This record gives sequence, C-alpha cells and structure tokens, in this order.
Amino acid sequence: NAGVTQTPKFRILKIGQSMTLQCTQDMNHNYMYWYRQDPGMGLKLIYYSVGAGITDKGEVPNGYNVSRSTTEDFPLRLELAAPSQTSVYFCASHLPQGRQKDGYTFGSGTRLTVV
Amino acid sequence: KNEVEQSPQNLTAQEGEFITINCSYSVGISALHWLQQHPGGGIVSLFMLSSGKKKHGRLIATINIQEKHSSLHITASHPRDSAVYICAVRLGSGTYKYIFGTGTRLKVLA
Repeated sequence: NAGVTQTPKFRILKIGQSMTLQCTQDMNHNYMYWYRQDPGMGLKLIYYSVGAGITDKGEVPNGYNVSRSTTEDFPLRLELAAPSQTSVYFCASHLPQGRQKDGYTFGSGTRLTVV
Repeated sequence: KNEVEQSPQNLTAQEGEFITINCSYSVGISALHWLQQHPGGGIVSLFMLSSGKKKHGRLIATINIQEKHSSLHITASHPRDSAVYICAVRLGSGTYKYIFGTGTRLKVLA
C-alpha cells in the first residue's frame, strides 16, 4: 500500500490564482480530512468526508472547496489564493470508529506559499 | 485557554534519558492520539487511546480519563526520537472532529 499520497509537495501561487491539492489513499479508508498547519499552531480542520459523496466543513473552510467522488480521492480546491492561505496542508484518512485501532494515516504534506 | 494543552513546549534531553511529554484537555473526548512529526514535516500516528496504557517499542502512552490527562513516555531516548510530538483529541463518540495541541518539540542530543 502506498498509504496517503499528496501532490504537489511544494507550490508557489500568485494572489488570485487557483489550484487543486491532490490526495489519494489506497487503504479503502472511509474517512478523509484536510488540515492546515500554521507555524506555532495546532492542525486546523478545513474539510472532512465520511465517504464518497459526503463532505462537510471543518473549522476553517473559507476559501476552499472539496469533492469526494470516489473512496480513494479527496482533492482540495483553492479558488482565489490569498496570502492568508500560505501554510502546510495535510491530508489524512482512517477507518470507521470501531475499526480505527491504528489511528490516522497522514500524507507527507504540501507546502504552499501565496505571494 | 486552549482546549488541548501540551507541556513542555520544548525539551532537550541527552541520549538515554527517560522522557515524558504531557497532554491535558478540557473537553469530553472519545479517544486521544499521539502523533510524531519529523523534521521533514511528515506526520506519523503513534498511538490511539481511549483508556489505560499502550506500549510500542520504547514508547509508552497512558491516559487518565477522569483527570483529562495523557502522557507519552520515551525510554532510552535516541537522537532519532528528535521530532515534534502532537496530542490530538477526538470530540465525543460518533464525531470525527479533532482538536490538536500545538506540539512538543523534542531534541535528543548524542
């Protein structure tokens, strides 16, 4: 298993540009998440999904959109990049609560800079 | 006051020392996770706890639900243990919302 794969690893965007952060997992995990990590802060939840076709907002969803058309893929879309979106983004996944004995699996992160 | 507090924020130890990292929380939880973030940025899940104690190699995690407190212990620490250790709590049963601590930065010197 490759686990959770995020692409790209690094990206520089100009203000107002758009991009999609890709996240794919091959573990048949129902639950998937997008987090952002800012310096000195804990991870903040942007969006999450409990299965294909079902998504919901987290704590900091403004400026982002997601979709979940398949179990494997959970892309995060930034429509109009702003400097406040400069951060490190992590995708994560896990099995349903009763089967979540091993906790989360995280992707390696995407470092995004908006200039 | 943050709902999940970790202490210490920074910790430097000599190789071989016994290390304890603490996590206190103020909300009702259904599980607590300990995560390790390497200097390169990757995050690895170490433990998920809802009660008692778990051990994996040199790592031991404990949780006291009544006191809303968890500890992560590292025995015989090694420079490769240098990382940021993050505590995260899952809020209540049936929810997948988590609150993360800001992490404890550990440096183990050879």
